[in-house]
Amino acid sequence: DAGITQSPRHKVTETGTPVTLRCHQTENHRYMYWYRQDPGHGLRLIHYSYGVKDTDKGEVSDGYSVSRSKTEDFLLTLESATSSQTSVYFCAINTLDRVTNYGYTFGSGTRLTVV
Amino acid sequence: AQKVTQAQTEISVVEKEDVTLDCVYETRDTTYYLFWYKQPPSGELVFLIRRNSFDEQNEISGRYSWNFQKSTSSFNFTITASQVVDSAVYFCALLNAGGTSYGKLTFGQGTILTVHP
Repeated sequence: DAGITQSPRHKVTETGTPVTLRCHQTENHRYMYWYRQDPGHGLRLIHYSYGVKDTDKGEVSDGYSVSRSKTEDFLLTLESATSSQTSVYFCAINTLDRVTNYGYTFGSGTRLTVV
Repeated sequence: AQKVTQAQTEISVVEKEDVTLDCVYETRDTTYYLFWYKQPPSGELVFLIRRNSFDEQNEISGRYSWNFQKSTSSFNFTITASQVVDSAVYFCALLNAGGTSYGKLTFGQGTILTVHP
């Protein structure tokens, strides 16, 4: 399995504060993604990256920014957290650029609560 | 644009019953992949199956089976003789493999399956 870790696993923060979530992979996969999961919506794409310093917006990008300064790390930042950003955040990597049985690997998720 | 619809929000069955989770997708691409994931109460996403658009063979893995029909744009998932451990949220997802898609996954809303003893 591709190694992918998210940190922190849980976070409680106050409205208006900045928050950064980290996704780290141990293999050199090109494509990385941030999704958020909310009841009734499944998982929705926030931002994605197709290489170092190459990022783009997903379906629900408002209020979020990302950075990828090296292949293995993809950071998601909430510049000023709001209660509507309370959610579970998943990072993922796309392994379909290799011949594998998997294709897509998710991190364990970060549960973020904005109070 | 692509879309995945899981019409069943919640399903409740008694152990040993068979249950089918429906998934209907929309895409204009000819090359794509379909996935099913399981999310148990612990919260992680567990990969169950990947099927590409050129392979319409049905698949069986133990008590799990999948029926892929391009003619109806459906990729349904059946659990035979359900067990309490099958209780989870199940997601169907679509990945377009075209050059500009960047491998983004589109998820259905999820189906909450509860299996009662």
